[in-house]
Amino acid sequence: DAKTTQPPSMDCAEGRAANLPCNHSTISGNEYVYWYRQIHSQGPQYIIHGLKNNETNEMASLIITEDRKSSTLILPHATLRDTAVYYCIVTAGNMLTFGGGTRLMVKP
Amino acid sequence: ETGVTQSPTHLIKTRGQQVTLRCSSQSGHNTVSWYQQALGQGPQFIFQYYREEENGRGNFPPRFSGLQFPNYSSELNVNALELDDSALYLCASSLGGTLAYEQYFGPGTRLTVT
Repeated sequence: DAKTTQPPSMDCAEGRAANLPCNHSTISGNEYVYWYRQIHSQGPQYIIHGLKNNETNEMASLIITEDRKSSTLILPHATLRDTAVYYCIVTAGNMLTFGGGTRLMVKP
Repeated sequence: ETGVTQSPTHLIKTRGQQVTLRCSSQSGHNTVSWYQQALGQGPQFIFQYYREEENGRGNFPPRFSGLQFPNYSSELNVNALELDDSALYLCASSLGGTLAYEQYFGPGTRLTVT
């Protein structure tokens, strides 16, 4: 599986959009980009995934660059409950390799 | 539709003992994966079971073993416990074996080895 690079931490004001970047320059053609988050002391929660096209669901939007070497997870209106560690994972299969993630702090 | 459940929530064991952790998968899911999460780290993949067969394994020694039952629930067994085995153990259920479906995680079992 391709390796990902994420900033270790980010802050966001409540009600504003949170844009979390992820670099995956060695991604292969059959690998998907997945985003999970983990709120303190809970199991990780699936957010969204994509292959080539941008994706949107009720939680977030995923923007993947045309060369697929990077992506951005967008939480359109961050709330305090979105404070968590966000993991970007690239995989062709079902065995997830978690890196360090980005610790997002949403502030009032 | 019930979510992924794990038992026990917490337990404390002594070095050298054996432990069994349990996971009930989400209704309709046939694949269970187990992960170990040390304090301050991301989860590390231990192994995966698909339709009662081990379907993939991470970099963990043979003293970590597992089972999946016909109802797709699963057990993680760890023999000869070491202090470094202290961690949060997470299971996740999904569809489709090795295919890239989303995984749904349980709340975890916090294991402390003294």
